[in-house]
Amino acid sequence: DQQVKQNSPSLSVQEGRISILNCDYTNSMFDYFLWYKKYPAEGPTFLISISSIKDKNEDGRFTVFLNKSAKHLSLHIVPSQPGDSAVYFCAARRNSGNTPLVFGKGTRLSVIA
Amino acid sequence: EAGVAQSPRYKIIEKRQSVAFWCNPISGHATLYWYQQILGQGPKLLIQFQNNGVVDDSQLPKDRFSAERLKGVDSTLKIQPAKLEDSAVYLCASSLGTGENFFGPGTRLTVL
Repeated sequence: DQQVKQNSPSLSVQEGRISILNCDYTNSMFDYFLWYKKYPAEGPTFLISISSIKDKNEDGRFTVFLNKSAKHLSLHIVPSQPGDSAVYFCAARRNSGNTPLVFGKGTRLSVIA
Repeated sequence: EAGVAQSPRYKIIEKRQSVAFWCNPISGHATLYWYQQILGQGPKLLIQFQNNGVVDDSQLPKDRFSAERLKGVDSTLKIQPAKLEDSAVYLCASSLGTGENFFGPGTRLTVL
């Protein structure tokens, strides 16, 4: 039972354009969401997060949007750079202390120069 | 600040053998997690420790997997005996309690 779904296994974007990565979740108890970035042979690194009390959070080139009614979130990267090429994981948890993260399968982003 | 340390980075064993992985979390992080990441999947929680106590091990295959965090700092994860389907990257993560997990580089296990 996949509680966090990333339906696009891969995405290719031209350098300088916008990258949009999507994520859907099914568990209505989730109220804290995170995006992680993973390079080969490294562990995932935290990128950006959003609480359910917000619908947008921005950090530099990265913006996460949350649509609670649709149980959908997206990560926007503008402008995309070749160094952004990695696997991006969406993760969610219940915001009740130290509950573990539930991850999607990831989307491989390729930014083409 | 030093990150999460894991060793070994790579391990190749034959099925039915045993293997152990070690993790040292970020200093001061009370919560430690072990995740299993199978190729093409996202990380899946195996076990969560708070200090040296187990908080959640509901997804740990306890007939073959065991983990401990005796002094509330570093942790070991053991598989005995290993099966082919245990081939995966084993990720250790730690957190202060805010929910953001800091991950180590992982141990890639290949079971032949």
